[in-house]
Amino acid sequence: AQKITQTQPGMFVQEKEAVTLDCTYDTSDPSYGLFWYKQPSSGEMIFLIYQGSYDQQNATEGRYSLNFQKARKSANLVISASQLGDSAMYFCAMRVMNTGANSKLTFGKGITLSVRP
Amino acid sequence: DTEVTQTPKHLVMGMTNKKSLKCEQHMGHRAMYWYKQKAKKPPELMFVYSYEKLSINESVPSRFSPECPNSSLLNLHLHALQPEDSALYLCASSQVNSPYEQYFGPGTRLTVT
Repeated sequence: AQKITQTQPGMFVQEKEAVTLDCTYDTSDPSYGLFWYKQPSSGEMIFLIYQGSYDQQNATEGRYSLNFQKARKSANLVISASQLGDSAMYFCAMRVMNTGANSKLTFGKGITLSVRP
Repeated sequence: DTEVTQTPKHLVMGMTNKKSLKCEQHMGHRAMYWYKQKAKKPPELMFVYSYEKLSINESVPSRFSPECPNSSLLNLHLHALQPEDSALYLCASSQVNSPYEQYFGPGTRLTVT
């Protein structure tokens, strides 16, 4: 079974500063993918970034980067130059890859990020 | 285009009503998903369709009935719901090849009275 742990309480960051959102995971499967999603108060889940278990380099997408430490089973999201629009709930998620699209996406409980002007 | 649309945005229904939620995507994805999400909780998977066939049912009560009429559309038929079924219902779609990132719609906020 897969497990995602997000333990940080609500996070606060000053506008234009960087922030790291923590995520640890557990799986016995060697082939898996890690995902981060953003959910504003409007409700839509927005896909941010993906990291595959065999990827050698950390994933980056614009202001988002994923600090992937495989040995520690962590996949922290780094948001650089925070903007007011980054205020939202952030979910880390994982799926194993050996059953294709039918495998379940396992979510962490989420972290609320508030950006202060 | 990574858009998934859902209608209606809001729905209020009584426990004896029958209603349907609709989801549409035009990204050529052949996997589609229904999730239920309670406030401040992560989404919970309900159903997965792969190539228009139901591949996963997460032991969802029969008062929820999914349907995938074609590769772009996904419906969720609701009948005799309970107040505890009030939640945000999210639809998502993905490719059927790696990495299977799912793209979500804006959701339908359902209130059962």
